[in-house]
Amino acid sequence: NAGVTQTPKFRILKIGQSMTLQCAQDMNHNYMYWYRQDPGMGLKLIYYSVGAGITDKGEVPNGYNVSRSTTEDFPLRLELAAPSQTSVYFCASRPTRGGTEAFFGQGTRLTVV
Amino acid sequence: TQLLEQSPQFLSIQEGENLTVYCNSSSVFSSLQWYRQEPGEGPVLLVTVVTGGEVKKLKRLTFQFGDARKDSSLHITAAQPGDTGLYLCAGEGDSNYQLIWGAGTKLIIKP
Repeated sequence: NAGVTQTPKFRILKIGQSMTLQCAQDMNHNYMYWYRQDPGMGLKLIYYSVGAGITDKGEVPNGYNVSRSTTEDFPLRLELAAPSQTSVYFCASRPTRGGTEAFFGQGTRLTVV
Repeated sequence: TQLLEQSPQFLSIQEGENLTVYCNSSSVFSSLQWYRQEPGEGPVLLVTVVTGGEVKKLKRLTFQFGDARKDSSLHITAAQPGDTGLYLCAGEGDSNYQLIWGAGTKLIIKP
C-alpha cells in the first residue's frame, strides 16, 4: 500500500529559486491538504482541496501555489523561495468529512539558504 | 475562527508515571481526533471520538471527549519509553473540509 507519497524527502534551495513539492495518493480520497511544520510545533495549513479542480487557501498561503488537476495529485509550488519557508512540509489526504482519518506522507524537509 | 488549545506543550516524565494531555476550545466540534507523530514521520491516527462524553481506550491510553464536545483529554497510564513522541489533537471544523489542529504536546518518557 503506497498511501500518500511525497517527493523529494529533502531539498536545499537558494533564496529566490522556485520548486514544486510533489504529492500523490492512491486511495481515491477527495480531500487533500498541504501543511508546514516548524521545529517542535504543530501543523499549519497552507492550502487544501476538496476535489479535482477545487482548491482553497489555508492559514499561511502566501508564497505558495497549488493545483489539483486529478484526484491523485496535489503539487505545491514555491515561487521565489525565502528563508522563512524553511520547514518540513506534509501532504495529507482523507476520503471525506465526518471524522475520517487523515493519512500523511513522510514529509519534505526544505531548507532555504 | 475555531481554535484548539493543547496543554502542556512539553512533558518529560519517568517511565511508570501517569500523565494527561488536554485539548480545549470554546467551539463545538463534530469529531475530535488524536494523532501521534514520531521524528521524521507524518502523524498517525490514534483515535477518533464523535459523541459527547465518549471514552475510548487503546491499551494504556484513554481518550475522552467532553460532554459539550468542546474539549478532549488523553490519559496515559504507566508511561513507557515507546510512548515518546509528539501528540496532536485535531477537530473537524465548521466547514468540515478542514481539520483544526492543536499545537501539539511533546512527550518524553525517560527509562
